[in-house]
Amino acid sequence: GAGVSQTPSNKVTEKGKYVELRCDPISGHTALYWYRQSLGQGPEFLIYFQGTGAADDSGLPNDRFFAVRPEGSVSTLKIQRTERGDSAVYLCASSVLGGGAYEQYFGPGTRLTVT
Amino acid sequence: AQKITQTQPGMFVQEKEAVTLDCTYDTSDQSYGLFWYKQPSSGEMIFLIYQGSYDEQNATEGRYSLNFQKARKSANLVISASQLGDSAMYFCAMRERDSSASKIIFGSGTRLSIRP
Repeated sequence: GAGVSQTPSNKVTEKGKYVELRCDPISGHTALYWYRQSLGQGPEFLIYFQGTGAADDSGLPNDRFFAVRPEGSVSTLKIQRTERGDSAVYLCASSVLGGGAYEQYFGPGTRLTVT
Repeated sequence: AQKITQTQPGMFVQEKEAVTLDCTYDTSDQSYGLFWYKQPSSGEMIFLIYQGSYDEQNATEGRYSLNFQKARKSANLVISASQLGDSAMYFCAMRERDSSASKIIFGSGTRLSIRP
C-alpha cells in the first residue's frame, strides 16, 4: 500500500516568507508526527496529532510554527516569517494509535531552504 | 528528561564482519520503548528493530539484534555479517509511556561505512 507522502519534496523560500508543508499519512493511521532534521543530526520532535487534535506540541520552537490536521488525515505544517535557521528537512511520520512495537512510518521529507 | 546518547559519530567495518553500534539512554519512566532506525543517503527513515522495557529477551530481526542491558541503560544494535548495503546513518531512539503512541526522541546517530 501507499506509504507516507510529503509535498513538496524541496522548497526554497526567502527569509521572512510564509511556507506550508503537507503530509499525507498512511490510510488508517490515527497518529501523525512532525519532526525536523538538521544536517548531521537526528530528527527532532515538533508536534504529534491524535486524530484532529494536537496531543503534544512541546517541540514547536516558537509561535512562528503551527500545524493543523482538520479532518484527521492530511496535516499541514505552517511556518511564518521564515528564518535561515529554519532550513532543514521536515519529516512526517504516522502510526496506529498504540504503543509497543507499533513503529512510526516516515515519509521522504521536505527539504526547506531559507535564503 | 529523556535523552539518547550515541557516542560513535562514525564507524568503518569490513564487509561480512559483525558490528556493534552503541546507544545509552536516560529516562525516569518504567515503561519505555527503544528503537533503531536506518537512514541511507536517500534520506528515508527505515525501522529496524524494537525493544520494550519489560521484554526479558533481546529483540532480534534477521541480521539485527538489540543488546538490551536495562541496569546499564544501554541498547546497542548488533549487525551480523555486514553487507555493503548496510552503509548508512543509524539512529537509536526512545519512546516514553510505551503503552500508547507518543513522540520518539532520537540520538545524534552513527554513520556506518562498510568496506568491501
